[in-house]
Amino acid sequence: DGGITQSPKYLFRKEGQNVTLSCEQNLNHDAMYWYRQDPGQGLRLIYYSQIVNDFQKGDIAEGYSVSREKKESFPLTVTSAQKNPTAFYLCASSTSGGNNEQFFGPGTRLTVL
Amino acid sequence: KQEVTQIPAALSVPEGENLVLNCSFTDSAIYNLQWFRQDPGKGLTSLLLIQSSQREQTSGRLNASLDKSSGRSTLYIAASQPGDSATYLCAASMTTDSWGKLQFGAGTQVVVTP
Repeated sequence: DGGITQSPKYLFRKEGQNVTLSCEQNLNHDAMYWYRQDPGQGLRLIYYSQIVNDFQKGDIAEGYSVSREKKESFPLTVTSAQKNPTAFYLCASSTSGGNNEQFFGPGTRLTVL
Repeated sequence: KQEVTQIPAALSVPEGENLVLNCSFTDSAIYNLQWFRQDPGKGLTSLLLIQSSQREQTSGRLNASLDKSSGRSTLYIAASQPGDSATYLCAASMTTDSWGKLQFGAGTQVVVTP
């Protein structure tokens, strides 16, 4: 089955720790995205990548980092510099060229202890 | 900056009634508009995508319309069922963003009562 997988489903972080969220897709999509969702709010874009070895900051990139070494993988690291990381994180992908339908993974819920 | 608004934030209807969900946007220079469904604690499921050149898009009981001049899109769900209970989000992409950035509304939470 083609789709997007995210792991883990739940993640707990202590103060001062960096944690990495995994996102993998087998849809052969060039573009991948990371969003953050807070209760009662729409999704906000953290980072996006249109092609391997290239990525751009979104609206709320501070305190986050990403890499895109493989087409199918786009991991997100939440660093200790992110002051309020507790949220639901969603990964998405789409075909290249932009403005195409985005498909989403099941999400990772991150909680800071 | 594009602002996307969904009103109301929550809606409850009896089973069988038609659902009408609204999405407003401030900048008419959209490339497309996408409707999603989100179940509690889950990711987003794409329902319909309307290109800016289209007026509407249909899939089964779902119909989405787009009126760029008035800055509105509407999602109609015919003959609602309890399984339609979820949060529905709309998102717009802009012609000024070649890489497909989506601007999301906060969503409308729908409850369909048996």
